[in-house]
Amino acid sequence: GAGVSQSPSNKVTEKGKDVELRCDPISGHTALYWYRQSLGQGLEFLIYFQGNSAPDKSGLPSDRFSAERTGGSVSTLTIQRTQQEDSAVYLCASSWGRGREKLFFGSGTQLSVL
Amino acid sequence: GESVGLHLPTLSVQEGDNSIINCAYSNSASDYFIWYKQESGKGPQFIIDIRSNMDKRQGQRVTVLLNKTVKHLSLQIAATQPGDSAVYFCAETAGAGSYQLTFGKGTKLSVIP
Repeated sequence: GAGVSQSPSNKVTEKGKDVELRCDPISGHTALYWYRQSLGQGLEFLIYFQGNSAPDKSGLPSDRFSAERTGGSVSTLTIQRTQQEDSAVYLCASSWGRGREKLFFGSGTQLSVL
Repeated sequence: GESVGLHLPTLSVQEGDNSIINCAYSNSASDYFIWYKQESGKGPQFIIDIRSNMDKRQGQRVTVLLNKTVKHLSLQIAATQPGDSAVYFCAETAGAGSYQLTFGKGTKLSVIP
């Protein structure tokens, strides 16, 4: 596609439920990132995928968070047993994977946990 | 840990004036810097970047200045327009092949018509 696509754009869920957020990166980009943005805050790194290498999961806040990337393209971020503090905008970005380069961001998924 | 931060959380500018948004960083190993613009309800959009072997880079109506001595980065927007109203983030990374960008908290720019 022309840009990074994320779905859904908004997700409201109840505390304790699981949610899945989807990211479709720019075609040809080998690197894919997930960031979290809380209200009025900067972007918090969550996880990074590069080609077939093992992902860098160092930013995941707890074991309730996981992500996968199938076929080197689409990625899914899963949050299990959601908590109210998980409420945030989840942003996906992709890049060519050369390092020290700009990232292209999607519009994000606004997650609200009631 | 080392991080990127901003001097001013909000900035109001009259339409047509120049805007200057500042950013301080503490990681002396940082060698690549980016400015992003984020409009309400959208993801961050790339504006301009600069590598540490430069101290100035110009784009269309925007200029980024890098002062490595004091670890300071600024974004200058010429002839600010209402469409420039957004939150601006600086981000940095360090080392060849590095991929993880560290973002500051952002400055909200409001343009007064």
